[in-house]
Amino acid sequence: AQSVTQPDIHITVSEGASLELRCNYSYGATPYLFWYVQSPGQGLQLLLKYFSGDTLVQGIKGFEAEFKRSQSSFNLRKPSVHWSDAAEYFCAALKAAGNKLTFGGGTRVLVKP
Amino acid sequence: GAGVSQSPRYKVAKRGQDVALRCDPISGHVSLFWYQQALGQGPEFLTYFQNEAQLDKSGLPSDRFFAERPEGSVSTLKIQRTQQEDSAVYLCASSLARGPSSYNEQFFGPGTRLTVL
Repeated sequence: AQSVTQPDIHITVSEGASLELRCNYSYGATPYLFWYVQSPGQGLQLLLKYFSGDTLVQGIKGFEAEFKRSQSSFNLRKPSVHWSDAAEYFCAALKAAGNKLTFGGGTRVLVKP
Repeated sequence: GAGVSQSPRYKVAKRGQDVALRCDPISGHVSLFWYQQALGQGPEFLTYFQNEAQLDKSGLPSDRFFAERPEGSVSTLKIQRTQQEDSAVYLCASSLARGPSSYNEQFFGPGTRLTVL
């Protein structure tokens, strides 16, 4: 079955430190891959997406993600986090020519001052 | 409005009551999606419309769940005889996509938080 796994439920990071959120997918063929952020009371906002080509993709708010086919991973990174980055982050996948996004369970990021 | 809107934002229902959740997509968006997000989980797909046609309802958990989009714009998700396990945030998303061969970003609304007592 197609699935997306985010192994870390919570991550706490100090403001100014780097952040990496892990995402693994299990699909028959490489899907389209996405990272979304959800702040309390807000809808999901797309940070970045990968369809094909360059395996390092840049997104909004200073985030980037690297696609590694050999590891079936699409990890999200930010070099220096800000307090406003505290939120829940979701990795998602979409089968090519499909319509429904499959989400991971999410990683909640807490930022310490 | 500029984005996807949903109403009500919060709904409390007694077990057994029927509820209706509304989604107003971005104007001109052809595709509309409903997702269910249980507490502490990622969203899970419920159903998908292209214009007024419901093309995929494979994620609806039971026949108590029903969705419609009669004029191809506003959509309503109806839950009959609500149960406690229906408590979740219901997210609506819309996109420009006109078919499975083309992808357009799904824009999400803020969700409706349903609590069934």
